[in-house]
Amino acid sequence: GAVVSQHPSWVICKSGTSVKIECRSLDFQATTMFWYRQFPKQSLMLMATSNEGSKATYEQGVEKDKFLINHASLTLSTLTVTSAHPEDSSFYICSAPSQGQRNEQYFGPGTRLTVT
Amino acid sequence: SQQGEEDPQALSIQEGENATMNCSYKTSINNLQWYRQNSGRGLVHLILIRSNEREKHSGRLRVTLDTSKKSSSLLITASRAADTASYFCATDRQGAQKLVFGQGTRLTINP
Repeated sequence: GAVVSQHPSWVICKSGTSVKIECRSLDFQATTMFWYRQFPKQSLMLMATSNEGSKATYEQGVEKDKFLINHASLTLSTLTVTSAHPEDSSFYICSAPSQGQRNEQYFGPGTRLTVT
Repeated sequence: SQQGEEDPQALSIQEGENATMNCSYKTSINNLQWYRQNSGRGLVHLILIRSNEREKHSGRLRVTLDTSKKSSSLLITASRAADTASYFCATDRQGAQKLVFGQGTRLTINP
């Protein structure tokens, strides 16, 4: 089946620095990708919809200037956490919808961000 | 919050027993899906049921959907230790691809 990869799988950074997370669709094109955040023992919360060639759409309460999303190609979306703080420590997961009518989404393996 | 509810939040059973998890949602939907997540890992798609379907089977999985009650259940029969994971339901609306996840059920299968 289709594969979505994320890089890095984990990252530790200091407060105030920025971190970039990549999401790639490996064997299919994705004009849309989704970014989720998951805190420990909680569910996934949609942060934003990444749109190839246009601006991302952010969910209510998500700061677009803090979580920069760039969907520069049909196989790559990046999420940059700017001026990271310890409360940004979380598991970040991306997904891409399947092609065709199956309405499934393929999820990346996630990136664990720890801000110290 | 637009998130749905899942119950139980945690379930611990013996290997070989059946496990049932329930999910309720708040808005009209196009599809409802179930995903599994092993600790600290990404999500694995298990099964999708459309709004006009009432029951679906896949291997040891059985999913039901009651749109009048806005609820779904996932049954795992003859559970195995490898089924230990968190299970999430997720819904999408007509014309929208983004998913809204339930709060999840942490399932532990004891050998």
